[in-house]
Amino acid sequence: AQSVSQHNHHVILSEAASLELGCNYSYGGTVNLFWYVQYPGQHLQLLLKYFSGDPLVKGIKGFEAEFIKSKFSFNLRKPSVQWSDTAEYFCAVNGGRSNFGNEKLTFGTGTRLTIIP
Amino acid sequence: SQTIHQWPATLVQPVGSPLSLECTVEGTSNPNLYWYRQAAGRGLQLLFYSVGIGQISSEVPQNLSASRPQDRQFILSSKKLLLSDSGFYLCAWGQGWDTEAFFGQGTRLTVV
Repeated sequence: AQSVSQHNHHVILSEAASLELGCNYSYGGTVNLFWYVQYPGQHLQLLLKYFSGDPLVKGIKGFEAEFIKSKFSFNLRKPSVQWSDTAEYFCAVNGGRSNFGNEKLTFGTGTRLTIIP
Repeated sequence: SQTIHQWPATLVQPVGSPLSLECTVEGTSNPNLYWYRQAAGRGLQLLFYSVGIGQISSEVPQNLSASRPQDRQFILSSKKLLLSDSGFYLCAWGQGWDTEAFFGQGTRLTVV
């Protein structure tokens, strides 16, 4: 069964610090990978996604993530965080087998990011 | 453009009462539909997903069920709520396995 692990539960950084949030997945086949963000009081929205091609993907608001297949990882990075990046971040993987195909979308437990001004 | 509607936004129900949460999608056809429960420290737990009318895949055996009576309608139900059913429920849709999912605003369910 597919699964996603986010080992950082709560990260606290000062503004302008660099960010890296870990994401590891478990699945033996081809996967699509996502990072979602949930700002306080708002609904989940897509930050970036990887389907194929260049393993370094860039998303909105200066975020990027690198897919390392050999490590089953898809870590999220940002060189310089801002106070407005305070939010909860979720890694997700699409893959797996069911009677219908591989539409199952599984999320990690999330990482709460707090940026101190 | 596509939109997703989920209601109600908040709900307080007594233990043992039934539940029906509805989710509808507009502006697309044959979407994949998902029900998640979000709990602090546990992320988003996939409860059910559906790739077509009447096709439901259950991920977590529990007190809940899901149905898809129409192409763009997804319903989360329970015959008798438990205290442990309290939580934040999110509906989402996606178009095929190679696109992202789009989320509704969620329903905060409190079972008392």
